[in-house]
Amino acid sequence: AQSVTQLDSQVPVFEEAPVELRCNYSSSVSVYLFWYVQYPNQGLQLLLKYLSGSTLVKGINGFEAEFNKSQTSFHLRKPSVHISDTAEYFCAVSRSGGSNYKLTFGKGTLLTVNP
Amino acid sequence: DAGVIQSPRHEVTEMGQEVTLRCKPISGHDYLFWYRQTMMRGLELLIYFNNNVPIDDSGMPEDRFSAKMPNASFSTLKIQPSEPRDSAVYFCASRPGSQPQHFGDGTRLSIL
Repeated sequence: AQSVTQLDSQVPVFEEAPVELRCNYSSSVSVYLFWYVQYPNQGLQLLLKYLSGSTLVKGINGFEAEFNKSQTSFHLRKPSVHISDTAEYFCAVSRSGGSNYKLTFGKGTLLTVNP
Repeated sequence: DAGVIQSPRHEVTEMGQEVTLRCKPISGHDYLFWYRQTMMRGLELLIYFNNNVPIDDSGMPEDRFSAKMPNASFSTLKIQPSEPRDSAVYFCASRPGSQPQHFGDGTRLSIL
């Protein structure tokens, strides 16, 4: 089984500052990794995913994440945030290979961008 | 692309009543998932279907919960009888093959 730990439940930052949202995972098998964003009263939207290949993954809205297998981490970063980035961010993991895989989500990190 | 459509968006009912949540997946998606989101437990997978067949219902909390997918374009999640601790936001998601999931906007359920 897989598990995900998002190390910060809340991250407040000022507009135009850089941000890093931390995610660590645990798994005995190879994994796929995902970051989703949830805006108020909406469902989750995929930001980016790591399936294989380059460990630096670029997603939508200027976000990127780096897969670090030795540290079992998949931290999300953005060099300069906007007020509109205020949302809850979820890291998720699934077993790699095949198509019958389930997503296991972390508890989420609430990013609040202040003016 | 209309996205995953869930109804109703909000439901308030009294404990003991039957509750039915509905989901229309994206056309052509062969996997459908039901999740529950609460502050205490986060996002939990309840059940998922592949080609209308339930594959894993190990996340369904109790026998009071049941889910069906009578065809490729419709699924229901039913709670009977409902209890206050069932209050949560319920999400439906679908995906084509091995691609990432697309989520609906959820049903906010309040059991009084």
